[in-house]
Amino acid sequence: QVQLQESGPGLVKPSQTLSLTCTVSGDSVSSADHYWSWIRQPAGKGLEWIGRIYTSGSVNDNPSLMGRVTMSLDAAKNQFSLRLTFVTAADTAVYYCARDNIRVGAFDIWGQGTLVTVSS
Amino acid sequence: EIVLTQSPATLSLSPGERATLSCRASESVSRNLAWYQQKPGQPPRLLISDAFKRATGIPDRFSGSGSGTDFTLTISSLEPEDFAVYYCQQRTNWPRTFGQGTKVEV
Repeated sequence: QVQLQESGPGLVKPSQTLSLTCTVSGDSVSSADHYWSWIRQPAGKGLEWIGRIYTSGSVNDNPSLMGRVTMSLDAAKNQFSLRLTFVTAADTAVYYCARDNIRVGAFDIWGQGTLVTVSS
Repeated sequence: EIVLTQSPATLSLSPGERATLSCRASESVSRNLAWYQQKPGQPPRLLISDAFKRATGIPDRFSGSGSGTDFTLTISSLEPEDFAVYYCQQRTNWPRTFGQGTKVEV
């Protein structure tokens, strides 16, 4: 079955760059049927969509993040990645990668999530 | 951006009872609305897409309805495993947005 797994540092210093990778198994990041997304959730709060990337490399991201988001895709490793620059404590959250299924029109497969804490 | 407002914030019910959750959009999202269930320490799970289509493996006690700005998720008879937080999410406009969640508690 399709599985997604986030990986990356759990602690990032303020003003530095948060980098996460999502490894996909059971599907291909080169698939034309899906986008690949990042969503985050601060402790005890709701869900915030960060952005998505398509097999073509096209990226859509949330304007609330003020252009701090970069996403990339590595077909050879079947991974996609997130970079969030100039982080602050407000970026502390559980970060999820998710499959945005075009046919279904929703996020149908999610990773387990990884906690990233921004602190000096 | 489209704001999704869920009500109530908390729903206190017993197993076997019917749960009715509301999601209201600040502008029309047509039928481009999904519902998710989230339990503590777990990622969200897709329940409903396109306002009323149950996702694979979702029991038929879960149903979705509505279009435009007003949507409802109904759980016909609560099972113990249904006590969780439920989120709605729209895909009509950028950015994709979620409601703030409704907690269904015992």
